[in-house]
Amino acid sequence: ETGVTQTPRHLVMGMTNKKSLKCEQHLGHNAMYWYKQSAKKPLELMFVYSLEERVENNSVPSRFSPECPNSSHLFLHLHTLQPEDSALYLCASSQTWTGVTEAFFGQGTRLTVV
Amino acid sequence: GQQVMQIPQYQHVQEGEDFTTYCNSSTTLSNIQWYKQRPGGHPVFLIQLVKSGEVKKQKRLTFQFGEAKKNSSLHITATQTTDVGTYFCAGRSINQGGKLIFGQGTELSVKP
Repeated sequence: ETGVTQTPRHLVMGMTNKKSLKCEQHLGHNAMYWYKQSAKKPLELMFVYSLEERVENNSVPSRFSPECPNSSHLFLHLHTLQPEDSALYLCASSQTWTGVTEAFFGQGTRLTVV
Repeated sequence: GQQVMQIPQYQHVQEGEDFTTYCNSSTTLSNIQWYKQRPGGHPVFLIQLVKSGEVKKQKRLTFQFGEAKKNSSLHITATQTTDVGTYFCAGRSINQGGKLIFGQGTELSVKP
């Protein structure tokens, strides 16, 4: 148990569906992240939030929409996804988003787009 | 943009053999972190190196940070089956806002 909880653990959705991934951290951290992990690829940083403000957006397609209502919760809203979006989506948090702080990862949501 | 390259991509060893993975950054790093991801699991933080030339040990694992703070290595002595997983380095560039950039990872398999 890392203190970062992601739901659901597995998700299968059609290309016309709308779904949301949820992440909650109980560590009192100020920064939260979404990473995408595809087979044979490095972890791709998607979004970074610091104190509920988005500080990084790495050219992610608009079909992925993040939301950070407070410093403990992070959502990733999904709509009209493509099969190539199938991947493991990992949420992480850290004390701050810069400096010498380690990242704590959730267990991930395994997303399959059909 | 900043790139963090990690080699090899895969390493298959016999139990008891040593293992090393190497990490190289295109830019100077403020610090480097190492994570381990077990099959079916999520990345778990192992260690962080901050100083130029720093060496840290955790039991059979030895981590090094290069003098120029652009490369790092993880060496495992006498591998065990419990070492199986993917090892990632992750660096924070001193020039790019401090975001953590991950290498591609090295997948280690250990034959008993």
